[in-house]
Amino acid sequence: GESVGLHLPTLSVQEGDNSIINCAYSNSASDYFIWYKQESGKGPQFIIDIRSNMDKRQGQRVTVLLNKTVKHLSLQIAATQPGDSAVYFCAEGQGAQKLVFGQGTRLTINP
Amino acid sequence: KAGVTQTPRYLIKTRGQQVTLSCSPISGHRSVSWYQQTPGQGLQFLFEYFSETQRNKGNFPGRFSGRQFSNSRSEMNVSTLELGDSALYLCASSPRTGLDTQYFGPGTRLTVL
Repeated sequence: GESVGLHLPTLSVQEGDNSIINCAYSNSASDYFIWYKQESGKGPQFIIDIRSNMDKRQGQRVTVLLNKTVKHLSLQIAATQPGDSAVYFCAEGQGAQKLVFGQGTRLTINP
Repeated sequence: KAGVTQTPRYLIKTRGQQVTLSCSPISGHRSVSWYQQTPGQGLQFLFEYFSETQRNKGNFPGRFSGRQFSNSRSEMNVSTLELGDSALYLCASSPRTGLDTQYFGPGTRLTVL
């Protein structure tokens, strides 16, 4: 499949462990944040989003944390599985402006 | 519901040629956005169309253009191709314009020789 990025930051975790992927965003006025997962050969897939009036949101096996004070966003994946191997992108948005994507983090799962 | 579809999936062109890529959004979605993805620059926003009108534009030269039809399908055109235009071109649709969850297609891999 296509190579999404050759020099992305990489996070390696053991299968079954929890994964935490971090993202620093740039615009303090951003009020919408979203995480995408991109597997090789596929387009980005929506995981979870959060608005700036919240600091935590949970989905199925995933939790997004937002710290507006330090402009930091994190994605926590519980009980990481081989199928979680992918590149994860955070994106920020404000008002009517379109999303601005981070560079991505490659998550690899060790058996 | 069927997802976002893009055609063709792969394309090889030579410098100076032009290319047209097609995107069919999720049924009922009226906003279509285009992105360029490269290893060096990541995901970069090209433009967004909503109700056949360009609503937002990224920082790309005029060689990159697009349009949207009344059925919300969109096309993107790149003229006078350069080697640096080699990339994965992604289309994303959402129900509305502005901040809204975008759903991506599989992309078109363009290689310029």
